[in-house]
Amino acid sequence: DGGITQSPKYLFRKEGQNVTLSCEQNLNHDAMYWYRQDPGQGLRLIYYSQIVNDFQKGDIAEGYSVSREKKESFPLTVTSAQKNPTAFYLCASSIGREGQFFGPGTRLTVL
Amino acid sequence: GENVEQHPSTLSVQEGDSAVIKCTYSDSASNYFPWYKQELGKGPQLIIDIRSNVGEKKDQRIAVTLNKTAKHFSLHITETQPEDSAVYFCAASMPKAAGNKLTFGGGTRVLVKP
Repeated sequence: DGGITQSPKYLFRKEGQNVTLSCEQNLNHDAMYWYRQDPGQGLRLIYYSQIVNDFQKGDIAEGYSVSREKKESFPLTVTSAQKNPTAFYLCASSIGREGQFFGPGTRLTVL
Repeated sequence: GENVEQHPSTLSVQEGDSAVIKCTYSDSASNYFPWYKQELGKGPQLIIDIRSNVGEKKDQRIAVTLNKTAKHFSLHITETQPEDSAVYFCAASMPKAAGNKLTFGGGTRVLVKP
């Protein structure tokens, strides 16, 4: 059963904490992406990776970090430097020039 | 960079009527235009896409049209049903964009009234 999984579904962070969101895909896709979605708004690109061990900043990378050690995995860390991290985080993957396929999302809330 | 505008932001239709969502893009080099449907609390789902060498594409009750000259593309949903209620996003991608990056519109919340 191929697809993209994200965990956890809900995540709560205290002020000053770093948290890591998981994204795994078994679609054999080369490229992976992280987006942030705020209520009633569109998707904004945080980071993307075209191949293993390589990634680039998107439009709103400040306060976030990523790694791409395996083709299947693209974890996102929300650091304490991100001043307004409460949002819905979406991971996606794609291959070639096909469209991006999204995971179910992680809702992050700062306590 | 590319900029995508999407209208309307909300759309209410009676069940069985048609719904049309319009998007405009700024960069004439864009050549791939997907549409996504997002239900509450879920990730967006790719429902249809079109490339710049095609003017129209249909898949059952949904269709997308592209006018390259005017730099706009539209999603048409016919015979709407309550399960069509969701937020719809358009997006655009340029051929030389590294990593197949997409630029998204702001979304349209569609409500189909029974």
